[in-house]
Amino acid sequence: AQKVTQAQTEISVVEKEDVTLDCVYETRDTTYYLFWYKQPPSGELVFLIRRNSFDEQNEISGRYSWNFQKSTSSFNFTITASQVVDSAVYFCALSEGRGQNFVFGPGTRLSVLP
Amino acid sequence: DSGVTQTPKHLITATGQRVTLRCSPRSGDLSVYWYQQSLDQGLQFLIQYYNGEERAKGNILERFSAQQFPDLHSELNLSSLELGDSALYFCASSVQGLASNEQFFGPGTRLTVL
Repeated sequence: AQKVTQAQTEISVVEKEDVTLDCVYETRDTTYYLFWYKQPPSGELVFLIRRNSFDEQNEISGRYSWNFQKSTSSFNFTITASQVVDSAVYFCALSEGRGQNFVFGPGTRLSVLP
Repeated sequence: DSGVTQTPKHLITATGQRVTLRCSPRSGDLSVYWYQQSLDQGLQFLIQYYNGEERAKGNILERFSAQQFPDLHSELNLSSLELGDSALYFCASSVQGLASNEQFFGPGTRLTVL
């Protein structure tokens, strides 16, 4: 069965610090997709990135970067030089190749203090 | 703005009642998903429709039902409401409903059952 674990329930950092949010997943499929979503205090869910199981290249988008390691079933998210606007709950999600059933992790609440 | 609309924004009702939540997907998206977000259960996938047909079912209670209409909007019906049904209900849409498609989320409907 699919499962996504985000062991960090809450993280607090001071502005300009780097922070890494952990995501560990479980799946029996060889084809699957991993996602990160951001839920700011306003409540909407915002798509950040998608990665398929065959592409282990790390990705960087501005201050955001993602490290996908199949060997450890992890898809970690790093924010460099964090800003107050990064304060949100971040969800990691897994979708398997055969189904369309998204499984979300429990989320990590990130607070960036000025 | 994701392009997904949900109405109403807030709903307050009593136990035992029935309510209908409405979702309009992004223009061009054929698939609609429903999720429930509560403090104790996190983000739970309920059900997915693709072009009018049910495609995948998650943790949806028998008291809940959904449908997708020919114009692709979707409704989620919740009946015999219980206190525990109080939650934020999200609708999301994607282009083809494939596991690889990112989902775009609406602003949610906050349901309070008194």
